[in-house]
Amino acid sequence: SQQGEEDPQALSIQEGENATMNCSYKTSINNLQWYRQNSGRGLVHLILIRSNEREKHSGRLRVTLDTSKKSSSLLITASRAADTASYFCATDASTGTASKLTFGTGTRLQVTL
Amino acid sequence: GAGVSQSPSNKVTEKGKDVELRCDPISGHTALYWYRQSLGQGLEFLIYFQGNSAPDKSGLPSDRFSAERTGGSVSTLTIQRTQQEDSAVYLCASSFDGRGRWTYEQYFGPGTRLTVT
Repeated sequence: SQQGEEDPQALSIQEGENATMNCSYKTSINNLQWYRQNSGRGLVHLILIRSNEREKHSGRLRVTLDTSKKSSSLLITASRAADTASYFCATDASTGTASKLTFGTGTRLQVTL
Repeated sequence: GAGVSQSPSNKVTEKGKDVELRCDPISGHTALYWYRQSLGQGLEFLIYFQGNSAPDKSGLPSDRFSAERTGGSVSTLTIQRTQQEDSAVYLCASSFDGRGRWTYEQYFGPGTRLTVT
């Protein structure tokens, strides 16, 4: 079953603009991760935020986490055409030495020149 | 170093046939995961292996699906008596437990696109 639901399902912006994607989930989590997928194939890990963190940055990426609302957002600043991809949030509710991710349905981002 | 590899990249099979999908994780990674992604959908967890522990099979959709991991490395996902609803991209991922401290990010292979006709 899907834990996370991304919003919007699709987003089209122009190069240079910022893109914001949101993710909502249902259960308590250990951490939340964002992945990017190009051309319907393998996923690439972008960033991880732990349940005790509220905000995290990596390059042009900014992730926020609000555990009280069970939601996260991914902001991509100064977008580029190469950012065109599907973006998925994934929640990890595992404890101990296990990491089983539950993925959302994804946001398809289109960045045009 | 080499990433996660999967074979075949594409597989077309007739309904009712058995198929085997292979995953070679990153060397040294102790955890291996299988996911399924139907067209335009998110990833659905199938099964994961962690070291010598019993695998977590909670995501397998039916008893036609099975997986094994030999020698703590290569894994094979087997689908028996394939059905058209099995058509999807099957993705494998691995992750590394470095010196007792768990690393949560997963490294994905390119996937196997399975089409059941």
